Amino acid sequence: GIQVEQSPPDLILQEGANSTLRCNFSDSVNNLQWFHQNPWGQLINLFYIPSGTKQNGRLSATTVATERYSLLYISSSQTTDSGVYFCAVEGNNAGNMLTFGGGTRLMVKP
Amino acid sequence: DGGITQSPKYLFRKEGQNVTLSCEQNLNHDAMYWYRQDPGQGLRLIYYSQIVNDFQKGDIAEGYSVSREKKESFPLTVTSAQKNPTAFYLCASSIRAAKNIQYFGAGTRLSVL
Repeated sequence: GIQVEQSPPDLILQEGANSTLRCNFSDSVNNLQWFHQNPWGQLINLFYIPSGTKQNGRLSATTVATERYSLLYISSSQTTDSGVYFCAVEGNNAGNMLTFGGGTRLMVKP
Repeated sequence: DGGITQSPKYLFRKEGQNVTLSCEQNLNHDAMYWYRQDPGQGLRLIYYSQIVNDFQKGDIAEGYSVSREKKESFPLTVTSAQKNPTAFYLCASSIRAAKNIQYFGAGTRLSVL
């Protein structure tokens, strides 16, 4: 099946700093989503971005499908950004099944 | 409020016991999913259902069973055959369409006594 790798696995930032999280995938996809899991375990959908660029406030994401990677940018980080960020993809023949990466664990210090 | 409700939040299982985790959604979504998350890991798909009375195995279905008798409900049973059930279980749903944007419940933490 499709492989999804996220980097870095862990990231510590000072409040106000910017960061870039990366997601590499091994095959063509027709669906890519970024999620944030808060410290209580709730997953929130941040972006649906199988290709192109989107922005939502301090967050933006870019997927270059032809090169099989996606980037999540966090600007002016806040302590509430802490948690785990997951990338999930659906391969072209995956039949609505998402495959999740291992996540990037982010801690933003005040 | 529209959303996905999982219950209970915490569940304890004794050896040899079957337990059932509830997942209900009022989003009128066609598809529903069950994932397992182990500490420090990503999510792995257990079962999914795209339509009432139909479901498919995911990557780690052994030791689990599901039913989909109603559109809004997709309960997961962790059977005694699942030897390592301690994990965080997440239910999701999506509109059965090209985008498959998944929305998640708050999860159930299952531990073995």
